[in-house]
Amino acid sequence: NAGVTQTPKFQVLKTGQSMTLQCAQDMNHEYMSWYRQDPGMGLRLIHYSVGAGITDQGEVPNGYNVSRSTTEDFPLRLLSAAPSQTSVYFCASSWSFMYQETQYFGPGTRLLVL
Amino acid sequence: GQQVMQIPQYQHVQEGEDFTTYCNSSTTLSNIQWYKQRPGGHPVFLIQLVKSGEVKKQKRLTFQFGEAKKNSSLHITATQTTDVGTYFCAATVQGAQKLVFGQGTRLTINP
Repeated sequence: NAGVTQTPKFQVLKTGQSMTLQCAQDMNHEYMSWYRQDPGMGLRLIHYSVGAGITDQGEVPNGYNVSRSTTEDFPLRLLSAAPSQTSVYFCASSWSFMYQETQYFGPGTRLLVL
Repeated sequence: GQQVMQIPQYQHVQEGEDFTTYCNSSTTLSNIQWYKQRPGGHPVFLIQLVKSGEVKKQKRLTFQFGEAKKNSSLHITATQTTDVGTYFCAATVQGAQKLVFGQGTRLTINP
């Protein structure tokens, strides 16, 4: 199993550009989520999904869209990048949130918005 | 706003000294999880606590969940250089389907 994979590892964007951060897991996990990590702020939840076709907002959803058309994939879209979105983005998955399972994190995507 | 507060933000110790980080919430938590993130890495799950007053140990690490299920702590005895990293607590507020992370405590160790 590859676990949770994220692409790209690094990305530089100009203000106003859009892009999609990819996240995939091969563990048949129902629950997937996106976090951003900024110095001194810990990990803040952007969006999450409890299963294919179901998504919901986390703490900091503005400026981001998600969809969950398959169990395996949970892409995060930046609609119009802003310097405030410079951060490290982590995708995570678990078997089922109902049982508060262990979250498995991907390696992260480091994003710089100029 | 932040539902789970974690202190301290930073801690520097001499190798061999003990280390403790605390998580507090104003609301009752369903569970609490602890993660470790090495510099440049991603968070890795350490343990989960579910029951009121629960105490779990992993070698030199001791995890506690408060009686009221509103606070938790991680204590490391006799730190080693391999303990360097940032420790996060993460909690589920009762009735929610979201895992909320504390701000993390960054531990550095002087060998």
